[in-house]
Amino acid sequence: GAVVSQHPSWVICKSGTSVKIECRSLDFQATTMFWYRQFPKQSLMLMATSNEGSKATYEQGVEKDKFLINHASLTLSTLTVTSAHPEDSSFYICSARPPLALETQYFGPGTRLLVL
Amino acid sequence: AQSVTQPDIHITVSEGASLELRCNYSYGATPYLFWYVQSPGQGLQLLLKYFSGDTLVQGIKGFEAEFKRSQSSFNLRKPSVHWSDAAEYFCAVGDTNSGGSNYKLTFGKGTLLTVNP
Repeated sequence: GAVVSQHPSWVICKSGTSVKIECRSLDFQATTMFWYRQFPKQSLMLMATSNEGSKATYEQGVEKDKFLINHASLTLSTLTVTSAHPEDSSFYICSARPPLALETQYFGPGTRLLVL
Repeated sequence: AQSVTQPDIHITVSEGASLELRCNYSYGATPYLFWYVQSPGQGLQLLLKYFSGDTLVQGIKGFEAEFKRSQSSFNLRKPSVHWSDAAEYFCAVGDTNSGGSNYKLTFGKGTLLTVNP
């Protein structure tokens, strides 16, 4: 089946630094990738939708200058948390959607971010 | 806007017992409905989905779900639970009104399943 990887699986950083998370579709091309944030005992909240070669579409309330998304190729999207603060600590999950399969999303294993 | 409610935060069952996880949705049109399972260190895995047709949907790992429009529900069931089923389960609704790249999933808060030996 389709596999989506995320790197790193966990990261600890100091407040004020930037952190980049990679999301890769390993065996299929993903025209669209999604980034979610999950708080403990909470649902997955969609942060943004990323289409290859174009600007990401952010959900209401998500700061686009804070969470930079780049989808430079059909197999790679990156999320950069800029000037991270402790409140940015969370579990970030990406998903990838193959072409011509609007209802299908394959999820990565997630990245745990802890900002000290 | 669509929403999903999973009333049970945590459910504990004994191995071999039957299981039902509840899911209620709010959506203005015919919904696309999904159940995902999340295990530690692994990505969400799709168990089953409903788009149209037969309201009883069979999925992987012996799971099934029944779509009941009158109750706005899409409950997940399994006749006999295995210890390996312990995980978090998420119900989701797809937004069929938006097309193309705007197609989105809205998730419930999840139900944590514990299986006792």
